[in-house]
This record gives sequence, C-alpha cells and structure tokens, in this order.
Amino acid sequence: DGGITQSPKYLFRKEGQNVTLSCEQNLNHDAMYWYRQDPGQGLRLIYYSQIVNDFQKGDIAEGYSVSREKKESFPLTVTSAQKNPTAFYLCASSSRQGDFLNTGELFFGEGSRLTVL
Amino acid sequence: KQEVTQIPAALSVPEGENLVLNCSFTDSAIYNLQWFRQDPGKGLTSLLLIQSSQREQTSGRLNASLDKSSGRSTLYIAASQPGDSATYLCAGGGGANSKLTFGKGITLSVRP
Repeated sequence: DGGITQSPKYLFRKEGQNVTLSCEQNLNHDAMYWYRQDPGQGLRLIYYSQIVNDFQKGDIAEGYSVSREKKESFPLTVTSAQKNPTAFYLCASSSRQGDFLNTGELFFGEGSRLTVL
Repeated sequence: KQEVTQIPAALSVPEGENLVLNCSFTDSAIYNLQWFRQDPGKGLTSLLLIQSSQREQTSGRLNASLDKSSGRSTLYIAASQPGDSATYLCAGGGGANSKLTFGKGITLSVRP
C-alpha cells in the first residue's frame, strides 16, 4: 500500500541529545514537509522540501535540521538547540504542479511523539 | 498573512444528526482548501480537497463546500455516527502563496 511511514512512534530524549525522526514515502511525491503539533495550537511548519537535495525553512526551523538525499526520504533531526522539543511531529507529502507548493492533496504519516526527560 | 479559524473548538451531537463544521479564512487568494480528520494520537487523514476553481466535493456522507468570496468553507456530515468522533481540521493556501495554514480543529463527539 502507498503511504508515509514515520518512525519511531514514541521517542524519549535526554536533554542535550540530538534525535532523528524518520519519514519515508512511496507515493512518488516531490514535496515533503515536517510539521509540529502542540496541544491547543494549529500545525506549524518546520521544514519543507520540493525536490531532492533542496529544502527550505518553515516557520519554526530553529533547533531542527533536515536532509533530502532521496526522493522517498526526509529525516528530521531535533538538535539540543531546540529549547522545547516535546511535541507530536508529523511528516507529510504532496504532489507538485510547476513551482508551486501545496497544489496537490496532502498526505500525512502516523506521527512521532517526542518526549524530553 | 493567512489566518484560518474553526469555531467552535468542540461539538457534541446525538447520533443520526446532520451537522456542519465551519472553517473561515482571511485571504481569499487560496489555491485549495483541504479537510482532514485526526483521531487521538494519530496522524491526519485527508477527507476532501477542494481546488480554488471548484465549489464543492463529496465523498460518501461528507460534503465540503468552498466560498472564496466570503472566506468560508463548510464540511457537512450526514447522519452522524459514533465512529465520526474525531478532530476535524481544515487547511487553506497553496499555489503562489505556497504556505498552507491550518485551523486548530473542531473536536466532534457523536453520542450513541
């Protein structure tokens, strides 16, 4: 079945540690996104990528890093510089028309919940 | 800056009721409007996508409409069931504006 796979589902981190969240899609989508979801807030965009080897900062990129070495994969690293990393992280992907983002239906993975101990 | 508002934040209805969930946006220059469902602790599931050139989309008991001039979209759920209980989010934007802005969602509870 086509879809987006995120792992791990739950992750615990000690302060000062970097952690990497995996996101893999087999939908053949060009565009991939990372969102953060906190209680009482809407989804906030962390990073996005329109094409392999290219990515752009979203609204809350500080303390995060990404790579896009393969079309199928868009891992997110939460670094020790992120002051409040406890959250639910969602990866998404969509097709793309021309140079425009978000022109196709957006599909999400099941999410990864990160807790800082 | 696009703002997307969903009011009320929570809604409780008896089973079998037809209901409408509202989504308001401030910038009418949106490329599309998408409705999602989210179950507790899960990712978002796409329900309906309405392109700016369309006025509505239907899938089973769900119907979503888009009125760009009034900055409003509605999700109509016919004959609600307890299994419809979830949080429903809308998101608008895309295209030249690129960014997709999400509402905070409406948490729906359908009582048996």
